[in-house]
Amino acid sequence: DTEVTQTPKHLVMGMTNKKSLKCEQHMGHRAMYWYKQKAKKPPELMFVYSYEKLSINESVPSRFSPECPNSSLLNLHLHALQPEDSALYLCASSQDNDRSTDTQYFGPGTRLTVL
Amino acid sequence: GQNIDQPTEMTATEGAIVQINCTYQTSGFNGLFWYQQHAGEAPTFLSYNVLDGLEEKGRFSSFLSRSKGYSYLLLKELQMKDSASYLCASWKFSGGYNKLIFGAGTRLAVHP
Repeated sequence: DTEVTQTPKHLVMGMTNKKSLKCEQHMGHRAMYWYKQKAKKPPELMFVYSYEKLSINESVPSRFSPECPNSSLLNLHLHALQPEDSALYLCASSQDNDRSTDTQYFGPGTRLTVL
Repeated sequence: GQNIDQPTEMTATEGAIVQINCTYQTSGFNGLFWYQQHAGEAPTFLSYNVLDGLEEKGRFSSFLSRSKGYSYLLLKELQMKDSASYLCASWKFSGGYNKLIFGAGTRLAVHP
């Protein structure tokens, strides 16, 4: 089983709203990732968690706040977003993050629209 | 840096064979991945090459030449459902952690 699940599938929010994206995997993976993807562009890394600790923050604005409650769950809290933040948000996981042979498996993504 | 280059778009005919090329900088190379992504969906893993040569998986094959910094994805007996973006990607080690760096993706359109 290589399934990563994400909820919600679609989200529309105003610039003053607070919302959260959720990601879950039950593959025993110790590394989890958030990516942002704009149309016709490759995924752009936002955050990496390794063993439930934030290991990489790619200079993401503070209106995006990640959280890893346990080894299977990853959240992305959203607050005061801008219309340009509208994108597909992808979660991924891999067995580990310190072995470059590990494959990342992606969830189906959340299509976010900020009005 | 770690640049990964691939063509932006390709077209092919149903039933034909198409080869999608990818070139990368060789410093710190740790293997190369190919992903398929249909519009609005998540990338799905196709293949991983770390040694030179051809890896075959059904209709899809992936080739790597480490000395040339070159890989390709070969799709045989093309079907309409193969119309998608194909992303090549490689790990980059930075600041004590690994990051997966993607090429811009090749959008493949398969026509009847």
